[in-house]
Amino acid sequence: KQEVTQIPAALSVPEGENLVLNCSFTDSAIYNLQWFRQDPGKGLTSLLLIQSSQREQTSGRLNASLDKSSGRSTLYIAASQPGDSATYLCAVRPGGFKTIFGAGTRLFVKA
Amino acid sequence: DAGVTQSPTHLIKTRGQQVTLRCSPKSGHDTVSWYQQALGQGPQFIFQYYEEEERQRGNFPDRFSGHQFPNYSSELNVNALLLGDSALYLCASRSRRIPRGRASYEQYFGPGTRLTVT
Repeated sequence: KQEVTQIPAALSVPEGENLVLNCSFTDSAIYNLQWFRQDPGKGLTSLLLIQSSQREQTSGRLNASLDKSSGRSTLYIAASQPGDSATYLCAVRPGGFKTIFGAGTRLFVKA
Repeated sequence: DAGVTQSPTHLIKTRGQQVTLRCSPKSGHDTVSWYQQALGQGPQFIFQYYEEEERQRGNFPDRFSGHQFPNYSSELNVNALLLGDSALYLCASRSRRIPRGRASYEQYFGPGTRLTVT
């Protein structure tokens, strides 16, 4: 059974700091891995999608890596800003139709 | 280009009642999935619809049912509401056709419906 774990559960950093969010999954047989951002009480915004054959994806200040063999992904945020404060969710798509999410990392960037 | 839309935004129901939530997929998408997100948790997969049929179901009881219409929009119905059904209900859509250059699809989520059961 596929399980997704995100560490840390919460993180508070000063503005300008570079940071890394971690995601681990128990079964390496996945089609893709997706990172989402969720603001309080809101829906999910897709940040990056990494196909199973890819090692990383970049968008602006965000970089996500994928190591399928070890069941790990990291989301790197460069030069963090107060507007980056949100919950970041990692999700994997194993076989079938469902997507399995971690519980998220709550990020607070202090001005 | 409208994204995924959901209605209503918020809903308050009493235990034992029934509720219907609605979702319109992003333009060009034909597949809709529903998720339940309890406070402080990640979304949990409820089921997915395409071609007007339920294709896969997560670990949810039969009180949760759905429907997809010919225009690809979808409804989620929950009967005999329990206090534990209070959550944010998210709808996600995608196209069954994998984009050129990609190996798999990307899901797009709606803003969600906040259901409170009292």
